[in-house]
Amino acid sequence: EVQLVESGGGLVQPGGSLKLSCAASGFSFSGFAMDWVRQAPGKGLEWVGRIRIKAYNYATLYAASVKGRFTVSRDDSKNTTYLQMNSLELEDTAVYYCTRQVSSGWYVWFDPWGQGTLVTVSS
Amino acid sequence: DIQMTQSPSSLSASVGDRVTITCRASQSISTHLNWYQQKPGQAPKLLIYYASSLQSGVPSRFSGSRSGTDFTLTISSLQPEDFATYYCQQSYSTPDTFGQGTRLEIK
Repeated sequence: EVQLVESGGGLVQPGGSLKLSCAASGFSFSGFAMDWVRQAPGKGLEWVGRIRIKAYNYATLYAASVKGRFTVSRDDSKNTTYLQMNSLELEDTAVYYCTRQVSSGWYVWFDPWGQGTLVTVSS
Repeated sequence: DIQMTQSPSSLSASVGDRVTITCRASQSISTHLNWYQQKPGQAPKLLIYYASSLQSGVPSRFSGSRSGTDFTLTISSLQPEDFATYYCQQSYSTPDTFGQGTRLEIK
C-alpha cells in the first residue's frame, strides 16, 4: 500500500523554526517528486513547495509566500522528505500535507496525500 | 500565477441528485486540471486527473469535462458518502494553484 506519514508538527512561537518529516512506503520513493501543501484552519489548499528527483538535481520550487523561509529536502535512503520552516509567522498556522507528484508525460497530479500534521504559530 | 475560480462555493443537494461544480482558469491550461475530494478531518483524495480521467477506485458516477478554460466535475447521482468539499487544481504551471473549494452539503 502506498502511504505517506507526516510528523513533526506542533506549537511554535512567531519567528521560530520547525522541521516536518514525511515518511513514504509502498512505492519507489526515489523516482517521484514530492510536494508539500498546507491548509489554514477553515480555509482552502495552498501549494507550498516541491523537490524533484535526483535526475533533476533535486531541484526545489516554492510558493512566493514561503520562499526564503522554508526549505524542502529529501533523503532517498530513508524514503523521507522534509520541510524545514524558519522565521515562522502567524499566517503559517495550518495543517501541512505531503503528497506524491505522479506524472504521465507532461501531466501531473497529487496522489496520495499524507494525513497531515498541524503547525500552530502562536505566542 | 494562474487563478482558479470555482463555483458555487457551497451547494445543498439531496441523495440521488445530479450535481455539477465548475472551475474556471484565468488562462489556458489545456487539460492540466485535477479534482480532489476532501471530507472533514481527512486529507484530500484524487478523483479526476487530466480533466476527465477517473482515478482507479473512484466510482463511475464521478466525471470531468472541459470546455476551453472551463472545467466541470459532475456527480451523476449523489450518494451519502459524497457530501464533502471539492477542489480543482491546475498543474499547467508552477505554482500549482487550487480553486477555493465547493462545499457540498445535504439538503
